[in-house]
Amino acid sequence: GQNIDQPTEMTATEGAIVQINCTYQTSGFNGLFWYQQHAGEAPTFLSYNVLDGLEEKGRFSSFLSRSKGYSYLLLKELQMKDSASYLCAVLGSNYQLIWGAGTKLIIKP
Amino acid sequence: IAGITQAPTSQILAAGRRMTLRCTQDMRHNAMYWYRQDLGLGLRLIHYSNTAGTTGKGEVPDGYSVSRANTDDFPLTLASAVPSQTSVYFCASSDGVSGANVLTFGAGSRLTVL
Repeated sequence: GQNIDQPTEMTATEGAIVQINCTYQTSGFNGLFWYQQHAGEAPTFLSYNVLDGLEEKGRFSSFLSRSKGYSYLLLKELQMKDSASYLCAVLGSNYQLIWGAGTKLIIKP
Repeated sequence: IAGITQAPTSQILAAGRRMTLRCTQDMRHNAMYWYRQDLGLGLRLIHYSNTAGTTGKGEVPDGYSVSRANTDDFPLTLASAVPSQTSVYFCASSDGVSGANVLTFGAGSRLTVL
């Protein structure tokens, strides 16, 4: 079967760094997405990785290892507004997205 | 502001009733999608449309139908609502057919079936 695993919840301190992991087992791979979703709102796009390595975009970076079926989202200089759920999604062989259940990130002052 | 508009924002309805969730986009995106989001589960695809005039079934299509008469509108209909269809429904669009493009989501419609 196809599976995306992420931690259910994480807690971090304002100003710190946090890494949110995502492991996947899918039939085929055409890229991995990270989306941010604030409570009661729509998901919004953060990053897309299709090749191995690190993609940096401001305070957020995303890493992919296709051989390990593994990705992480790294958030630096955490701000209170970063409190949200972070969704990992893999584009499978049929070009349909398979979504993880999301990681709820709680930022404490 | 360009984007996706969903209506209603929230609705409570009795089991057995028919309900249509509306979705309109003004970005001229080819592909549109309907997802449901339930606590503890990832987003699940209900139906999709790669271009106007075509539709396809997603992971959880039973009990739902869609139509795509034009580029902008993609309504989702529950013919006879059941309590298990209580969920938050998100409409999304992308400008590519392959699905490798970024999704833009509507604000969601919270549906409660009693």
